[in-house]
Amino acid sequence: AQSVTQPDIHITVSEGASLELRCNYSYGATPYLFWYVQSPGQGLQLLLKYFSGDTLVQGIKGFEAEFKRSQSSFNLRKPSVHWSDAAEYFCAVASGGSYIPTFGRGTSLIVHP
Amino acid sequence: DAGVIQSPRHEVTEMGQEVTLRCKPISGHDYLFWYRQTMMRGLELLIYFNNNVPIDDSGMPEDRFSAKMPNASFSTLKIQPSEPRDSAVYFCASSLGVGNQPQHFGDGTRLSIL
Repeated sequence: AQSVTQPDIHITVSEGASLELRCNYSYGATPYLFWYVQSPGQGLQLLLKYFSGDTLVQGIKGFEAEFKRSQSSFNLRKPSVHWSDAAEYFCAVASGGSYIPTFGRGTSLIVHP
Repeated sequence: DAGVIQSPRHEVTEMGQEVTLRCKPISGHDYLFWYRQTMMRGLELLIYFNNNVPIDDSGMPEDRFSAKMPNASFSTLKIQPSEPRDSAVYFCASSLGVGNQPQHFGDGTRLSIL
């Protein structure tokens, strides 16, 4: 069975600082990987996705993520955080069998001015 | 293009009452998902449909919960009778296939059972 771990429940950064949110997964086949963002009172919105090819993928709002097969990781990064990036971030993995995505527990990003 | 539309956005009702949540998926999407989000348990998949047919309802907490999809443009999630522990945000999502296809989420229904 596939599983997704986001080890950080909360992350606090200062505006303008760089950001990295961690995501680790276990799977039995080639995974499809996603990052979503959830702003307060809203549903999840897709930031980026990885299926194959270049392991560094670019997404919306200046985010990028890197797939590292050897580490079973798909970490999300942003070079300079804006106050509007404060939100909940979810990593999701779809693999094997039904290919229905499994979501991590989420990481809450707090941005200090 | 219209996204996934859920109604109502907020629902407050008393314990024991029937609650019906509604969802209109994106036109052309063949998968529909119902999720429940709470602080304690995170985002839980309750049930999903493919071409209006329920495929996996193993996430439905108990018999008080039921979901239907009478046609490609409408689905309901019903709780009867409701209990305070059902209080949560319920999301509907749709997708064009699975695997490499992302899900598109509605803005959710915040349900409070008193």
